[in-house]
Amino acid sequence: GAVVSQHPSWVICKSGTSVKIECRSLDFQATTMFWYRQFPKQSLMLMATSNEGSKATYEQGVEKDKFLINHASLTLSTLTVTSAHPEDSSFYICSAREVAGMNTGELFFGEGSRLTVL
Amino acid sequence: AQSVAQPEDQVNVAEGNPLTVKCTYSVSGNPYLFWYVQYPNRGLQFLLKYITGDNLVKGSYGFEAEFNKSQTSFHLKKPSALVSDSALYFCAVSPRNTNAGKSTFGDGTTLTVKP
Repeated sequence: GAVVSQHPSWVICKSGTSVKIECRSLDFQATTMFWYRQFPKQSLMLMATSNEGSKATYEQGVEKDKFLINHASLTLSTLTVTSAHPEDSSFYICSAREVAGMNTGELFFGEGSRLTVL
Repeated sequence: AQSVAQPEDQVNVAEGNPLTVKCTYSVSGNPYLFWYVQYPNRGLQFLLKYITGDNLVKGSYGFEAEFNKSQTSFHLKKPSALVSDSALYFCAVSPRNTNAGKSTFGDGTTLTVKP
């Protein structure tokens, strides 16, 4: 099946610094990727839809200047948490929609990135 | 707007017993329906999907789900639970259009299978 790689798996940073998380589709092309945030024992909160070659579409309440998304190629999307603060600590997950499968909506997920801001 | 409800936060079953994890949805039109599983500190893994056709869908690890249009339900089932099935399960719905993939997820159900 299609594989999505997310890196890093764990990251600890100081308050005020920026952190970049990468999401790569390894064996398929993904014109669309999605970024989620997940709090402990809670569901996925969709943050934004990342479209290759265009600006990301952010969900209501998500600060686009805080969570910068870049989708420069058909296999890579990045999420940068800028000027991170402890309240940004969370589990961030990406998913990708295979171009060939865009009519069925099946998603392939990365392994997630645990961000801890001290 | 589409929505998904998983009425049970927690489901506990004994190993070897059948299990059911419930899901109901609300959406206009005919959506795509999915089940995903998440193990601790991991991303989600696809289990199965309903697109069209037979209402009983078979997926990975012996799981199956039954689509019931009149009840707008898509319950996940397995005839004989394993301890290794213990995980967090998400039901999801996706529209049948260019937004396919922008899925709406339920709040998740934690399945615990006891030996």
